[in-house]
Amino acid sequence: GESVGLHLPTLSVQEGDNSIINCAYSNSASDYFIWYKQESGKGPQFIIDIRSNMDKRQGQRVTVLLNKTVKHLSLQIAATQPGDSAVYFCAENYGGSQGNLIFGKGTKLSVKP
Amino acid sequence: KAGVTQTPRYLIKTRGQQVTLSCSPISGHRSVSWYQQTPGQGLQFLFEYFSETQRNKGNFPGRFSGRQFSNSRSEMNVSTLELGDSALYLCASSLLGSNQPQHFGDGTRLSIL
Repeated sequence: GESVGLHLPTLSVQEGDNSIINCAYSNSASDYFIWYKQESGKGPQFIIDIRSNMDKRQGQRVTVLLNKTVKHLSLQIAATQPGDSAVYFCAENYGGSQGNLIFGKGTKLSVKP
Repeated sequence: KAGVTQTPRYLIKTRGQQVTLSCSPISGHRSVSWYQQTPGQGLQFLFEYFSETQRNKGNFPGRFSGRQFSNSRSEMNVSTLELGDSALYLCASSLLGSNQPQHFGDGTRLSIL
């Protein structure tokens, strides 16, 4: 995973548009991936997960795509709402222990009303 | 179902002191992990506990320690505090088993003066 610097990548979208947040993960042996949403003053909130034997998984208004060939994850949010404004993190799990998540740097999503 | 509870929410200490942070996992969750979140380094894994045993440890100095009790509640301790220990400390719990998502509390904000 990469460290989060002071300058997070930012994605600004109009309310009602679809959002796509991208993430490159670090280890080809990782077999489980999670997307989290973190609002100011709160801990990361689980959004959706995907196992390495899948390439797509859908939830309510969200879809995660996994491309193992290029070690890339994306989170698609349909009909983005102001309440979706937050920092989004991808996390990968490898090393045989489920308790050790490696987090990406995060992307700040801003939704304009 | 109550989420992960962390206490205290905020803490101010001075250099050289020690601190103990507490975490109560979601009922039925027996795996507890701790993370440190800073603007410069992002979310970094500290350690994971299951059945009162440390199963995995991140790359932090020995001043950082933890333990888990028989009811799955966990504490982490930081001794000889340094200015760089100022961070948001997050606890996450999960069910045991492969590929189970971790659920986070809202963290303890530790400030070192």
